[in-house]
Amino acid sequence: AQTVTQSQPEMSVQEAETVTLSCTYDTSESDYYLFWYKQPPSRQMILVIRQEAYKQQNATENRFSVNFQKAAKSFSLKISDSQLGDAAMYFCAYRRSNSGYALNFGKGTSLLVTP
Amino acid sequence: EPEVTQTPSHQVTQMGQEVILRCVPISNHLYFYWYRQILGQKVEFLVSFYNNEISEKSEIFDDQFSVERPDGSNFTLKIRSTKLEDSAMYFCASNLRSGGTQYFGPGTRLTVL
Repeated sequence: AQTVTQSQPEMSVQEAETVTLSCTYDTSESDYYLFWYKQPPSRQMILVIRQEAYKQQNATENRFSVNFQKAAKSFSLKISDSQLGDAAMYFCAYRRSNSGYALNFGKGTSLLVTP
Repeated sequence: EPEVTQTPSHQVTQMGQEVILRCVPISNHLYFYWYRQILGQKVEFLVSFYNNEISEKSEIFDDQFSVERPDGSNFTLKIRSTKLEDSAMYFCASNLRSGGTQYFGPGTRLTVL
């Protein structure tokens, strides 16, 4: 079974600064999808960004970008110009592409943003 | 913008009772899912549903659980005889195609007393 590891239970960043959240995964598949979801205190799961493994280019969405290192099985999330509203739990997730549809989540990183 | 909705937002039940959690996926989506998150833990997959049948399920999804799409809009999760350890946030999700992004509902918080 694929495992997703988020080694940072908590991170802190000052407003307007940049922070990077780490995620590694274990798989024998060559094609798959990776996601970052944000969970604010309301506990809603909100998609932040998505990466297809066959794409070499790193995904970006406004202030959010990823560093996808396929050989290292690493998928980190960079948040630039951090805002107070970015404070949340962030979950990294893996999904196989050719069979099965389940998202496999990591344990999450709690991000605190300080003024 | 279309979104996944879930009712109720909070359900309190007694151990041993049956509960039905309801979801309305995004209208043109074809794949439906249930996940759960015990407080303070990671989100865990329960079951996926496509073309009116279960396509994948986890070890958590035992005989106490069932899913149904009773009409063209609702997608339900039934727990036949709730246990204390079923207390969790239950999320419904849907996506349009097999490789698509899953969009989550706001969740139903289930408390079993």
